[in-house]
Amino acid sequence: DAGVIQSPRHEVTEMGQEVTLRCKPISGHDYLFWYRQTMMRGLELLIYFNNNVPIDDSGMPEDRFSAKMPNASFSTLKIQPSEPRDSAVYFCASSRTSGRTQYFGPGTRLLVL
Amino acid sequence: AQSVTQPDIHITVSEGASLELRCNYSYGATPYLFWYVQSPGQGLQLLLKYFSGDTLVQGIKGFEAEFKRSQSSFNLRKPSVHWSDAAEYFCAVVYQGAQKLVFGQGTRLTINP
Repeated sequence: DAGVIQSPRHEVTEMGQEVTLRCKPISGHDYLFWYRQTMMRGLELLIYFNNNVPIDDSGMPEDRFSAKMPNASFSTLKIQPSEPRDSAVYFCASSRTSGRTQYFGPGTRLLVL
Repeated sequence: AQSVTQPDIHITVSEGASLELRCNYSYGATPYLFWYVQSPGQGLQLLLKYFSGDTLVQGIKGFEAEFKRSQSSFNLRKPSVHWSDAAEYFCAVVYQGAQKLVFGQGTRLTINP
């Protein structure tokens, strides 16, 4: 079975540019989570969806961040405009309601210059 | 607030030695407990999980963990480490009725040859 798929794996951009990160969850999973990992703050939950509906976005740092899940097999995390402090590894994870076990993608390493 | 504590930021052990990584969680409703491993530049891989039943759980790569409710702990153990076990290890908890994972800060494991 395919795991969680994220793209791109690496992204280098300049401050002020728009960045879009993509995630395909495991088929049949109805929860999708976006995390950010930095040295200073560790793993932070940004937002999560259930059945494509955002449930909790309290971790989204500011209005520059937005996330969507137009269907059960695709989600995006967008940063506009990007800033150097957004440099981090962004992970997507998915789970089933009954399972509670989250399976993580390989992450997107974002560097904003 | 619900929290997970991994008291050891960095541990160094010799190859072939035994290992124990500590994890304590804040008191709450029935916890679902997880250990994940992250190799350098990689995503998070599930090592093992505890939901209920036998408090000693076996995972992949020869790891095991023991749930002790009286101590609010879920320590990870391995009888003999291999150089390939060098990685960062994260303990995490989901409380019954919730979906959000709460992560510890991680323990970085270094293996001496």
